[in-house]
Amino acid sequence: AQSVAQPEDQVNVAEGNPLTVKCTYSVSGNPYLFWYVQYPNRGLQFLLKYITGDNLVKGSYGFEAEFNKSQTSFHLKKPSALVSDSALYFCAVRDMRNFNKFYFGSGTKLNVKP
Amino acid sequence: ETGVTQSPTHLIKTRGQQVTLRCSSQSGHNTVSWYQQALGQGPQFIFQYYREEENGRGNFPPRFSGLQFPNYSSELNVNALELDDSALYLCASSLGTSGGTDTQYFGPGTRLTVL
Repeated sequence: AQSVAQPEDQVNVAEGNPLTVKCTYSVSGNPYLFWYVQYPNRGLQFLLKYITGDNLVKGSYGFEAEFNKSQTSFHLKKPSALVSDSALYFCAVRDMRNFNKFYFGSGTKLNVKP
Repeated sequence: ETGVTQSPTHLIKTRGQQVTLRCSSQSGHNTVSWYQQALGQGPQFIFQYYREEENGRGNFPPRFSGLQFPNYSSELNVNALELDDSALYLCASSLGTSGGTDTQYFGPGTRLTVL
């Protein structure tokens, strides 16, 4: 079965410090991986995706993610956090054998303190 | 903004009633998916429509049904509402390109409360 795990319910980081939000996945075959961010009372906003190619994917608002096939991970990173990055982050995987389904993780709340 | 809109923003219903939620996709996006997001959880896939036909479904009972129209709008219908149906309902549209690599763009959601 396809699945995504976000092992941390919450990540706290000081403004200006680097941040990492972790995601591991389980899929059959090559994964299509996505990161979304959700602000309070809002829908999900697309940040970035990995389909194929370079393991380091660059996305919106200075975020990037590193795909690691051997560790089945797709961690979200940012070199310098902003208070405005505080939000709920979701990792998702698309089932390649059934392109119609996205599987989302349970989400990680990022708190960036001034 | 993603260009995907949903209505209404909030809705309160009682158990046993029926509800219709609406979504307007980005122009040119021929695929729409619906998700249920319970409080404190990630979105759960309900179903997907491509060119007005359902072509994928998650683990939701038949009382969850949908429609997609040629004008890029769609509906999610839920019959015989249960208390556990209280959630944020999200729709997402995409181009529907082959291979599954297209990005889904989400609307702001409809908050449904069942009393």
